[in-house]
Amino acid sequence: EVQLVESGGGLVQPGRSLKLSCAASGFTFSNYGMAWVRQTPTKGLEWVASISTGGGNTYYRDSVKGRFTISRDNAKNTQYLQMDSLRSEDTATYYCARHNTLNYFDYWGQGVMVTVSS
Amino acid sequence: DTVLTQSPALAVSPGERVTISCRASESVSTRMHWYQQKPGQQPKLLIYGASNLESGVPARFSGSGSGTDFTLTIDPVEANDTATYFCQQSWNDPWTFGGGTKLELK
Repeated sequence: EVQLVESGGGLVQPGRSLKLSCAASGFTFSNYGMAWVRQTPTKGLEWVASISTGGGNTYYRDSVKGRFTISRDNAKNTQYLQMDSLRSEDTATYYCARHNTLNYFDYWGQGVMVTVSS
Repeated sequence: DTVLTQSPALAVSPGERVTISCRASESVSTRMHWYQQKPGQQPKLLIYGASNLESGVPARFSGSGSGTDFTLTIDPVEANDTATYFCQQSWNDPWTFGGGTKLELK
């Protein structure tokens, strides 16, 4: 059974950093691209970042470029999202998701809440 | 960015047929995918590539369309189909989602 379990969320002040983790199991992690998708009641679902199978290629939405870094450790079956210079508009539930070849997301974690507030 | 427009809400009776639409602001070929999200849960993939049923998803769900106009059909609707349905395109960068259609049962 495919499982994706996020951790690392919480309350953080604007301008500070937070690192999310996503532990994967139930599939060959190194064979799949991975992504982070966030959701808010006002903006809905937003793709945030993606990473290729080996980690050599990364992709970001414009609003997080230069502030967020996606990475993965295939030996640990884990992907990460390092979030720096956080802003109030980054407040959201962040989902870890598995990519499929047509760039849809076939499995999602349960989500982790990130709140950016002073 | 490619904007995906969905009707905010629909209400249907169990046993009926419902179509949920998604219109893209520019062509996305057939790179349209559909998800179901129930309250407090993560999204679940239903349809990929406009019309391909994800493994394990009941055949009551189907998808169609290409270019800019897409539909998700549930026939017949069951009580546990109460959820919000999202479309997502993966043809144009950045990949975007529709605002969701909340399906309620009468």
